Amino acid sequence: GAVVSQHPSWVICKSGTSVKIECRSLDFQATTMFWYRQFPKQSLMLMATSNEGSKATYEQGVEKDKFLINHASLTLSTLTVTSAHPEDSSFYICSAQQGAGNTIYFGEGSWLTVV
Amino acid sequence: AQSVTQLDSQVPVFEEAPVELRCNYSSSVSVYLFWYVQYPNQGLQLLLKYLSGSTLVESINGFEAEFNKSQTSFHLRKPSVHISDTAEYFCAVSDQKGNQGGKLIFGQGTELSVKP
Repeated sequence: GAVVSQHPSWVICKSGTSVKIECRSLDFQATTMFWYRQFPKQSLMLMATSNEGSKATYEQGVEKDKFLINHASLTLSTLTVTSAHPEDSSFYICSAQQGAGNTIYFGEGSWLTVV
Repeated sequence: AQSVTQLDSQVPVFEEAPVELRCNYSSSVSVYLFWYVQYPNQGLQLLLKYLSGSTLVESINGFEAEFNKSQTSFHLRKPSVHISDTAEYFCAVSDQKGNQGGKLIFGQGTELSVKP
């Protein structure tokens, strides 16, 4: 089946630094990618929707200047957490869709720990 | 707007016993319904989905879910669980006006723990 890969799987960064997480669709072109955040023992919360070649649409309450999303190609979207703080520590997971009406595939997720 | 409530955060069960994971939703519009499974340290995998047609949908590994519009529920069931079914299960909805399953609203998750 279709595969969506995230990198890195685990990352530890110092408070105040920025960290980038990549989401790649390995065998299909993802016109739309979604970024979710999951706190321990909680559900996934949609952060933003990203369409290739256009600006991401952020959910209410998500700081777009802090969580920079780029979807420059049909196989790659990146999430950059800028000036990270310990409260940004979370599990970030992306999903990708090859056009409207098609199945959504999720990545393996990326654990971010800010110390 | 939609919301999803999974009534049980943890469900412990013995191997080969039946299990039901409950999911209720609220929405002012028609929805699509999904169950996802998340194994430890892995991403989400689609287990089954209801889009239209028969209200009973099945997965390849023995799970089934029934859409009940009057009760706004989409409970997940399996008649006999295996140790390998141990995982976190998420119920999700999306409205039918948007892309199919594109923007998902998730429940809080239910941790299924199957014991020998």
